Amino acid sequence: AQSVAQPEDQVNVAEGNPLTVKCTYSVSGNPYLFWYVQYPNRGLQFLLKYITGDNLVKGSYGFEAEFNKSQTSFHLKKPSALVSDSALYFCAVRDPRSGGYNKLIFGAGTRLAVHP
Amino acid sequence: DVKVTQSSRYLVKRTGEKVFLECVQDMDHENMFWYRQDPGLGLRLIYFSYDVKMKEKGDIPEGYSVSREKKERFSLILESASTNQTSMYLCASRLPSGGNTEAFFGQGTRLTVV
Repeated sequence: AQSVAQPEDQVNVAEGNPLTVKCTYSVSGNPYLFWYVQYPNRGLQFLLKYITGDNLVKGSYGFEAEFNKSQTSFHLKKPSALVSDSALYFCAVRDPRSGGYNKLIFGAGTRLAVHP
Repeated sequence: DVKVTQSSRYLVKRTGEKVFLECVQDMDHENMFWYRQDPGLGLRLIYFSYDVKMKEKGDIPEGYSVSREKKERFSLILESASTNQTSMYLCASRLPSGGNTEAFFGQGTRLTVV
């Protein structure tokens, strides 16, 4: 089955420390992978994507993610967390079964809490 | 700036009412989507539209219908609202370019059915 897993419901980090939000996927073929962030009472905002090319992709607000094909992972990282990074983070993958419709499969989300 | 606007941030409706959620985008995107967001379940696709008057069922279409009469507007309709449709509803739009483009989301509508 095509799926995305975010194994942690919540991640707690102290401000200034590095952060990692984990994502693993299971899809056939080459994956198109996305990270989105949702601040309280807001819609989702795009952070970054992996389509092809370099395994390390850089995105908005200092975030980056590393695509690891052998581990089928696409973990989100930031070298130094800010309190303002506290939000809900979603990993998503294009559903290859959806053909030209290119639907996305979303993970359940990980709540990041950055403490001062 | 790219914009997807949902007509209401918060709605409270009674069981059995017909409910309309409206979404407008100003980016001339062909693809539009309706998701519902529930804690621990992530986003689940209700319906999507790949062009005017074209629609496809998503993963959880039961109890919902949609309308897309104009390219910029995509409406979600709850035919007879029920308490299990209490949720956050998110609209999104995207260019139809092989799946490698990001989606743009509205701010969400939190619907409570009482």
